[in-house]
Amino acid sequence: DGGITQSPKYLFRKEGQNVTLSCEQNLNHDAMYWYRQDPGQGLRLIYYSQIVNDFQKGDIAEGYSVSREKKESFPLTVTSAQKNPTAFYLCASTATSGRGNEQFFGPGTRLTVL
Amino acid sequence: ELKVEQNPLFLSMQEGKNYTIYCNYSTTSDRLYWYRQDPGKSLESLFVLLSNGAVKQEGRLMASLDTKARLSTLHITAAVHDLSATYFCAVETLKHTGANSKLTFGKGITLSVRP
Repeated sequence: DGGITQSPKYLFRKEGQNVTLSCEQNLNHDAMYWYRQDPGQGLRLIYYSQIVNDFQKGDIAEGYSVSREKKESFPLTVTSAQKNPTAFYLCASTATSGRGNEQFFGPGTRLTVL
Repeated sequence: ELKVEQNPLFLSMQEGKNYTIYCNYSTTSDRLYWYRQDPGKSLESLFVLLSNGAVKQEGRLMASLDTKARLSTLHITAAVHDLSATYFCAVETLKHTGANSKLTFGKGITLSVRP
């Protein structure tokens, strides 16, 4: 089955630690995205990548880093510089088609800082 | 900076009645997407609207796009409990055709259907 997987589903972190969230897709999509969702809020774009070995900052990139070494994978690192990292993190991917740039989402990772 | 506004942010609906929710955006775009999110879950794509006047229907939901007014509407016919969820609209911005595309999301509208 084609789709997007994220792991882990739940993640607990102590203050001052870096953590990496995994996102993998087997849809052969070129573009991948990371979003953050806070309670009662919409999605805010952290980073996105249109092609392997290239990525751009989104609206709230500070305190985060990414890499795109393979087409299938787009991991997100939440660094200790991120002041308020507790949130729901969603990864998405898209391939330009007759349905525009419709994005498909993974199941999400819920990060809690203790 | 593109702003996407949805209203109302919360809507309590009575089963069997019709309702319309709105999505306004601030800059030129002719591509808009609707998503549904159930509590604690991810986003599911509902509609893709790619031109002015586009109308899509799926079951009791119908979405339309007016790019001149920068407005999309989501019409609900005869609400049922299964439609209770949060609905997001997202507007696409393109720096260059097919490149650097990104979506800007509204805050979402939470619909609750009561008997």
